[in-house]
Amino acid sequence: DAGVIQSPRHEVTEMGQEVTLRCKPISGHNSLFWYRQTMMRGLELLIYFNNNVPIDDSGMPEDRFSAKMPNASFSTLKIQPSEPRDSAVYFCASRRRGGQGGLAGYNEQFFGPGTRLTVL
Amino acid sequence: QKEVEQNSGPLSVPEGAIASLNCTYSDRGSQSFFWYRQYSGKSPELIMSIYSNGDKEDGRFTAQLNKASQYVSLLIRDSQPSDSATYLCAARGDSSYKLIFGSGTRLLVRP
Repeated sequence: DAGVIQSPRHEVTEMGQEVTLRCKPISGHNSLFWYRQTMMRGLELLIYFNNNVPIDDSGMPEDRFSAKMPNASFSTLKIQPSEPRDSAVYFCASRRRGGQGGLAGYNEQFFGPGTRLTVL
Repeated sequence: QKEVEQNSGPLSVPEGAIASLNCTYSDRGSQSFFWYRQYSGKSPELIMSIYSNGDKEDGRFTAQLNKASQYVSLLIRDSQPSDSATYLCAARGDSSYKLIFGSGTRLLVRP
């Protein structure tokens, strides 16, 4: 089975430009998470979707960040306008539906390869 | 503030030794615990999950959970240089979807 797919893998842009990161969760998973990882702050949860609905976006740092999940197989994270402090690795993770594999299967999150964003 | 604490390391062990990685958590309501391995420049990879007090073994890996002490550990037997990575501990509360991650422990296995 394919894992979580993210694109692009690397993005270099200039300050002020719009950036869109993409994610395809594992088929059959109904929860999707966007994380950001930096050396200073570690792994931070930005937003969580369940059944395509945003449940918690309290981790989104500013209004410049927005995320959508139009269907069960696709999500985007957009930064507009981008700033140098947004430079980080952005991960998407998905979680399998409840009931598969029992409690263990329901809790486990699987990460995509990440997008390394550099804002100049 | 719910926290997961890990020693940043690096923890250096010789090849073939047992590596012991430790983690403490502050939320007593946490029910599920996970260990992720992250190689430099790569994404976190789930290697172990544990839900009940005691030990859980999977190959060379053993996860240990002590809820009374709010302590989780990961033992890696017969450590290999390929085990050199950062190991992230994560905890999930009973009513929360969120995983709270520790900052990770860097493990270095010397050939």
